[in-house]
Amino acid sequence: QVQLVESGGGVVQPGRSLRLSCAASDFEFSDYNLYWVRQAPGKGLEWVALILYDGSKKNYAGSVKGRFTISRDNSKNMVFLEMNGLRPEDTAVYFCARGFYQTSLSGAFDLWGKGTMVTVSS
Amino acid sequence: SYVLAQPPSVSVAPGQTARITCGGNNIGRKPVHWYQQKPGQAPVMLVYDDSSRPSGIPVRFSGSNSANTATLTISRVEAADEADYYCQVWDKSGDFDVLFGGGTKLTVL
Repeated sequence: QVQLVESGGGVVQPGRSLRLSCAASDFEFSDYNLYWVRQAPGKGLEWVALILYDGSKKNYAGSVKGRFTISRDNSKNMVFLEMNGLRPEDTAVYFCARGFYQTSLSGAFDLWGKGTMVTVSS
Repeated sequence: SYVLAQPPSVSVAPGQTARITCGGNNIGRKPVHWYQQKPGQAPVMLVYDDSSRPSGIPVRFSGSNSANTATLTISRVEAADEADYYCQVWDKSGDFDVLFGGGTKLTVL
């Protein structure tokens, strides 16, 4: 079944770190750009980070730049989000998503995971 | 930076037509994508590149984009269409950022 499954969420204190994982199934993972998108409770969608299909380019939203790092392991069909210096405003459901146009930095996100909840609180 | 503006809410009776707008400066020059999100679920791609529908999306969902407004139109609205709807574009003026509108809650009366 073609799917993305996130894991690694939880409750963490402000200033601490957390690593999210996203496992892909049943598609040619290395042919697609991958994205992280988050949604704070009761709020809208916010793009967080992107990584090109081969890992050669990464980009981040201004709200997380310098604190979050996206990476991928094409041999394991996984993408990761390393989150450092977490703040209460990072509390959200984190979704990973696949780019519809595979290797192009454009287009919509055609496949989403169910998300993993991150709560930053003391 | 580029900003997308959506109305927070739209209400429509069953069987009627709902129109959800997404405003942005010269948005007509950018491909716009739309998502539907129901409570507790992940977003679903509804329309891409202004007006194209992925397989499995009913023809009742259509999109258009011109000048400063993109529009998602839902014809013959059903109770199951009650959800949040988001528009999305790419901002390539800098380093390739992804932007979402603030979302519109569609209520079926």
